[in-house]
Amino acid sequence: SAVISQKPSRDICQRGTSLTIQCQVDSQVTMMFWYRQQPGQSLTLIATANQGSEATYESGFVIDKFPISRPNLTFSTLTVSNMSPEDSSIYLCSVIVGKTANTGELFFGEGSRLTVL
Amino acid sequence: GEDVEQSLFLSVREGDSSVINCTYTDSSSTYLYWYKQEPGAGLQLLTYIFSNMDMKQDQRLTVLLNKKDKHLSLRIADTQTGDSAIYFCAEMGGSARQLTFGSGTQLTVLP
Repeated sequence: SAVISQKPSRDICQRGTSLTIQCQVDSQVTMMFWYRQQPGQSLTLIATANQGSEATYESGFVIDKFPISRPNLTFSTLTVSNMSPEDSSIYLCSVIVGKTANTGELFFGEGSRLTVL
Repeated sequence: GEDVEQSLFLSVREGDSSVINCTYTDSSSTYLYWYKQEPGAGLQLLTYIFSNMDMKQDQRLTVLLNKKDKHLSLRIADTQTGDSAIYFCAEMGGSARQLTFGSGTQLTVLP
């Protein structure tokens, strides 16, 4: 398995501000993902964080709103920019563990719960 | 896009078996997953099954996969009150390695 640490675990933010969420993994991983879970909903993929290149965003998510960094194989950040109350969600980092990407073990961090006032 | 469906609620008596069902549409799924989410917590990977398997057992958990019908189930034997949580089914399709989640099934275990 993997130990995935996210910071902050929760925060209350003001409309119009930006917040950066950090994801630290205790081992090198090939693939990292960022998901969003809106209140009472299931999870939706925001983007795949690629090491050494730009993130790959899913339909409905753009880099200007959700810039992502992946400076190395153990760390990634997701920024939620110019926040509005609609951005109130749990943001989760996930990783595929294994020597190659051809493994099924996909783990999640504990999530960062953001409330935008 | 691909779709994963689950029933929203399930109630069982403590000690009984729980069966949570899931259907999916992606014929190129490689792995199928069950995650557990307790209130205020992240997602805990319970188990997963490779698409060329039809059953996987891990202690109290049994996963059955019917690839022809695109149907996945999770059976929890001897369900305990600590099993009360939301259970998400998810599928990983093709080379993208990303997951498509179901809506989650709220399991309530009654004493």
